[in-house]
Amino acid sequence: DAKTTQPPSMDCAEGRAANLPCNHSTISGNEYVYWYRQIHSQGPQYIIHGLKNNETNEMASLIITEDRKSSTLILPHATLRDTAVYYCIVRFHSGAGSYQLTFGKGTKLSVIP
Amino acid sequence: DTAVSQTPKYLVTQMGNDKSIKCEQNLGHDTMYWYKQDSKKFLKIMFSYNNKELIINETVPNRFSPKSPDKAHLNLHINSLELGDSAVYFCASSQDSGLNQPQHFGDGTRLSIL
Repeated sequence: DAKTTQPPSMDCAEGRAANLPCNHSTISGNEYVYWYRQIHSQGPQYIIHGLKNNETNEMASLIITEDRKSSTLILPHATLRDTAVYYCIVRFHSGAGSYQLTFGKGTKLSVIP
Repeated sequence: DTAVSQTPKYLVTQMGNDKSIKCEQNLGHDTMYWYKQDSKKFLKIMFSYNNKELIINETVPNRFSPKSPDKAHLNLHINSLELGDSAVYFCASSQDSGLNQPQHFGDGTRLSIL
């Protein structure tokens, strides 16, 4: 189970901000929210992750609500190369000493010229 | 320089054959993973190794045997290939197996069984 809910698809105009929502209402206190994307025929690419605070890096910003039940990935100025499937993942303890990623269906973001 | 590299990129073979996929990471990471992405695009963990020791085996058939000769390499050997093994296999690595460590993926090996 992915433990997250995302819209199946979204469109965004080139140059505008892309805001991708994710619901994770059953998240536990020590579980991180991760975002990856997969561009066609390539391996998943790490974007950003966070626990409680909002995070920003050179690729995106991650806004996590105060109750941690949802988050939003923001691509500030979307380009055509940002067209991809975006995965929101709650990383949990697998019980085997490691913390695996469980990918859901993601959101297919289409950036339109 | 490619951080996580897999070979071959494409693999086409007959049912019943035995094949191997190699993975190498030059990031100095301690933990490596194998994932399988099926035709419906779901990506699922298969194995995880930390410092050459197996820490995750997600109900994968015994025909799949990972081997880690050192912590920079995690190879996947598959015996008696079946049609259902057709998929894209991704290798990944992370600094360690902690929750706060992102995983970095290779570009995948596309396995097709005839």
